[in-house]
Amino acid sequence: DTAVSQTPKYLVTQMGNDKSIKCEQNLGHDTMYWYKQDSKKFLKIMFSYNNKELIINETVPNRFSPKSPDKAHLNLHINSLELGDSAVYFCASSQANRGGYGYTFGSGTRLTVV
Amino acid sequence: SQQGEEDPQALSIQEGENATMNCSYKTSINNLQWYRQNSGRGLVHLILIRSNEREKHSGRLRVTLDTSKKSSSLLITASRAADTASYFCATGDQTGANNLFFGTGTRLTVIP
Repeated sequence: DTAVSQTPKYLVTQMGNDKSIKCEQNLGHDTMYWYKQDSKKFLKIMFSYNNKELIINETVPNRFSPKSPDKAHLNLHINSLELGDSAVYFCASSQANRGGYGYTFGSGTRLTVV
Repeated sequence: SQQGEEDPQALSIQEGENATMNCSYKTSINNLQWYRQNSGRGLVHLILIRSNEREKHSGRLRVTLDTSKKSSSLLITASRAADTASYFCATGDQTGANNLFFGTGTRLTVIP
């Protein structure tokens, strides 16, 4: 199936730990993104990345870092997890170089920090 | 901030009625998109309208865009219970990455 897949679907961890969320897309898209959705369903862009440029939302703490081993993957690493990091994290991809196309989203990773 | 706002925050209608959701935004855009999110799921792209377009249709969906008022509306005609979901508008910036900035969402409930 063509899709954006992210793992794990659920992640429960203690404060202070370091964790990663993986994302893969097999759509051949040139750009990938990470979004954070809080408990009020507010979606905020964290990063966008293609093979030329990484754009970071300046409000994202530097404990969050994207890692892209190749253009089909954009993993999210989070260091020193805090309670406020609890949220649902969505990965997405699009063919941005065609001047604005819809995103394809993954199904989300619900992160709970205890 | 490029974040948009949707109005109303919640909407409840009977099956078969039309549902209209509005979106306002603040900055210049490349395009505006609407997404649906079912409870506990990811977002699904519904429709994209470019800044030089005024209206677009897709099945039971009709989207309008007024760039002078920085607003858009999504009309769902002949609603069905399966349309129950949250609907988000998102504006695309003018960078090469087409970063999307999402609105606050409208929670639509269609009562069978």
